Amino acid sequence: AQSVTQLDSQVPVFEEAPVELRCNYSSSVSVYLFWYVQYPNQGLQLLLKYLSGSTLVKGINGFEAEFNKSQTSFHLRKPSVHISDTAEYFCAVALSGAQKLVFGQGTRLTINP
Amino acid sequence: GAGVSQSPSNKVTEKGKDVELRCDPISGHTALYWYRQSLGQGLEFLIYFQGNSAPDKSGLPSDRFSAERTGGSVSTLTIQRTQQEDSAVYLCASSPRRFPHYEQFFGPGTRLTVL
Repeated sequence: AQSVTQLDSQVPVFEEAPVELRCNYSSSVSVYLFWYVQYPNQGLQLLLKYLSGSTLVKGINGFEAEFNKSQTSFHLRKPSVHISDTAEYFCAVALSGAQKLVFGQGTRLTINP
Repeated sequence: GAGVSQSPSNKVTEKGKDVELRCDPISGHTALYWYRQSLGQGLEFLIYFQGNSAPDKSGLPSDRFSAERTGGSVSTLTIQRTQQEDSAVYLCASSPRRFPHYEQFFGPGTRLTVL
């Protein structure tokens, strides 16, 4: 069965600093990869997804992620964060042909002024 | 347009009672999903409906949990004889067609507290 590991439960950064949120997955078959964001008291919102093609994926709000098959990773990055990026970020995978998402435990990103 | 809506937003119940949680997907979306978000388990898949096909119930944690989708639209998740470990936020999502090429849109969730 596939699983997703988000290595950091909390990441504090200063405003305008770069950030990387780490995600590793385990699966013996092809997967699709996703990052979702959950702002305080709101539902989940899709940031970006990798289905195929270019391994560098750009999403909303200036975020991007890179799929690395050999390292089974899909780390999320942003070159300069804002206070408004404070949220919980979830990495998720879906097996090829499957309809359900398997989520990581989430990373709480806190931006300090 | 309107997004996925869920009701109630909060539900407090006593152990042993039954509860029903409702999900209204985005109009025209054929796929509907239920997930559960809890402190101990994170976000986990519960059940998936696609059109008139038999639902994928592989994530339901016990036979106390059931869900139905009437008329291919509204869905109800029912938890019988609630236990304290059922306390969680229950999230519903819908998708216009087959995922993952079509995004899953999530509702705001129902926070269930079992006393």
